[in-house]
Amino acid sequence: AQKITQTQPGMFVQEKEAVTLDCTYDTSDPSYGLFWYKQPSSGEMIFLIYQGSYDQQNATEGRYSLNFQKARKSANLVISASQLGDSAMYFCAMRANSNYQLIWGAGTKLIIKP
Amino acid sequence: ETGVTQTPRHLVMGMTNKKSLKCEQHLGHNAMYWYKQSAKKPLELMFVYNFKEQTENNSVPSRFSPECPNSSHLFLHLHTLQPEDSALYLCASSQERDSLYHSYEQYFGPGTRLTVT
Repeated sequence: AQKITQTQPGMFVQEKEAVTLDCTYDTSDPSYGLFWYKQPSSGEMIFLIYQGSYDQQNATEGRYSLNFQKARKSANLVISASQLGDSAMYFCAMRANSNYQLIWGAGTKLIIKP
Repeated sequence: ETGVTQTPRHLVMGMTNKKSLKCEQHLGHNAMYWYKQSAKKPLELMFVYNFKEQTENNSVPSRFSPECPNSSHLFLHLHTLQPEDSALYLCASSQERDSLYHSYEQYFGPGTRLTVT
């Protein structure tokens, strides 16, 4: 069965510090993709970054990077130089390329302190 | 309008009412999704439409009825709901391709906050 685990229900981080949000996954499918989404209090899910299982390099998008460790089945999100606007729920999701379904983690609530 | 829009943003309905949620995507995507997000639970996929054809129905109760008249519009018709159906309902779209290396990221609307009284 496919599963996503986010072990940090909540985190407090000082503004301008880097933050790592944990995500581990489980799948028997050899081809899959991993996604991170941000959900502010307004409710909209915002796509942040994607990592494919065959990608040789870790994905980066501006201040976001994905620390992909395939052997450990982890796909942690790293946010550099955190900002107050980064306060939100963050969700890790996985999709096996054999179907359309995204499997979602329970999320981590990130609060950036000034 | 750009991206994915949803109306209404908030809805309060009684258990005997019939209402519909509307979603429209302006991204030229060919797949659309309905999700339910309840407090303290992971996002639950309800329905998937690809090229207007329903491809997934994750054991959703029949009081939820989807409709996809074209690849840009998606509806969720609601009737005789229960209080436990109160949640945020999110619509999403994506561009599906037969490519192992395509990210298939889904783009979401702002959601409809539904309260069943």
